[in-house]
Amino acid sequence: EAQVTQNPRYLITVTGKKLTVTCSQNMNHEYMSWYRQDPGLGLRQIYYSMNVEVTDKGDVPEGYKVSRKEKRNFPLILESPSPNQTSLYFCASSLNPVGSGTYEQYFGPGTRLTVT
Amino acid sequence: SQQGEEDPQALSIQEGENATMNCSYKTSINNLQWYRQNSGRGLVHLILIRSNEREKHSGRLRVTLDTSKKSSSLLITASRAADTASYFCATGNSGYALNFGKGTSLLVTP
Repeated sequence: EAQVTQNPRYLITVTGKKLTVTCSQNMNHEYMSWYRQDPGLGLRQIYYSMNVEVTDKGDVPEGYKVSRKEKRNFPLILESPSPNQTSLYFCASSLNPVGSGTYEQYFGPGTRLTVT
Repeated sequence: SQQGEEDPQALSIQEGENATMNCSYKTSINNLQWYRQNSGRGLVHLILIRSNEREKHSGRLRVTLDTSKKSSSLLITASRAADTASYFCATGNSGYALNFGKGTSLLVTP
C-alpha cells in the first residue's frame, strides 16, 4: 500500500530536549516536505527536499533541521524545542515538481507535538 | 507563503444538499488542488486542475477554475455526513511548494 508514515504520532516533551520526528514513504517519490498546522494559520511549509542531499527552507524553518540521506526518509529535527513549536506536523511526498509544475502530495497521518 | 484563501470559513448543511466552497489566490499559478482533512488527520488529495482547464469532475466533486478572476470553486453534490471535514485549496506554480489556504470547515448533518 502506498503510504507516508510518521513516528511518533503523539509526543509530549520539555523545552530544550532534542527530538526527531521520522517520515518515510514507499512510493519512490523525489519530493518530500514538512508542514506544521496551527489553528487559524492553516498549513505552513517548514522545509522541503527535491531529492537525496537536496533540501531547502520553506516559510517557517526557524528552529528546525532536516536531512535527506535516503530517498525514502526525511526526518525533522528539533534540536532545542520551545513551546511555540507545539503544533501538528505533517510530512508529505510527491513526484518531482520541477518542470511540469506541482503534483498531488501524499500526506502522513500527522504528529501532534506538545512542548512544555 | 500562503496564497489560497477559502470562503466561507465554515459551512453547515444537511445531508443531500450541495456544498460550495470557494478559493481565491493572488499570483499566477500552474495548477490548483483541493484536499480534504478529517479532524486531526492527514490531508487527502481530492482533485487537481491545471491552469489551462476550466472545469473538472470526480465523482460527486466538481471543480472550476477561473484564472482571470484568480478563483476556484469546489462543489460537492448530494452531501453525506461522511463529507464532514475541512477542505483546503492549494496552489502550485513553477516553483517547488504548494501554498495552502486556511480551509473551509464543512459540517453535514443527517
